[in-house]
Amino acid sequence: GESVGLHLPTLSVQEGDNSIINCAYSNSASDYFIWYKQESGKGPQFIIDIRSNMDKRQGQRVTVLLNKTVKHLSLQIAATQPGDSAVYFCAESYYGKLTFGQGTILTVHP
Amino acid sequence: GAGVSQSPSNKVTEKGKDVELRCDPISGHTALYWYRQSLGQGLEFLIYFQGNSAPDKSGLPSDRFSAERTGGSVSTLTIQRTQQEDSAVYLCASSSGQGNSPLHFGNGTRLTVT
Repeated sequence: GESVGLHLPTLSVQEGDNSIINCAYSNSASDYFIWYKQESGKGPQFIIDIRSNMDKRQGQRVTVLLNKTVKHLSLQIAATQPGDSAVYFCAESYYGKLTFGQGTILTVHP
Repeated sequence: GAGVSQSPSNKVTEKGKDVELRCDPISGHTALYWYRQSLGQGLEFLIYFQGNSAPDKSGLPSDRFSAERTGGSVSTLTIQRTQQEDSAVYLCASSSGQGNSPLHFGNGTRLTVT
């Protein structure tokens, strides 16, 4: 039978590099966007959010960019560390209901 | 403070049995969500409770799935007559419900239907 495996996009980087994870969202009326990090066996962990009236927001080592024209969201991680290895999900919110993207696997090599 | 708590963390059941999954949200959070995550997949919305409003059940995959939220706090997701395709991690999240606010997730219940 067909094996069950991960079919998510992957990104491999070296420790210390900057990482960029991209996401296309679907609803042009979505007004709030969030990035989550999910480690194995755990629930998604909030990283950073941005409202639709902004195009950039910075946190500690992370920056989110929002391009509403092309419905695109990106997460930039500066000086990526091995502890950043995880699956990253973007999510869009419309009337409080959050819809998640498929996720990207980030692997950071020491 | 305590985060979102889910129980049990793992549940193995036989096909055809009913299961109940429990979620304790963060104290004071008025919004509560259930999502399902299959192996290596994204999160699939199931149901959303906000205060005393009627829940948004638009994501429930069949009438075998139901959820309650008692007293505006604890929620139970019930799956009747479980099928093998119900095997997944069921995640609960809560938020303050104030404007745009992030969801805070529990670690989920891993359900295996044999």
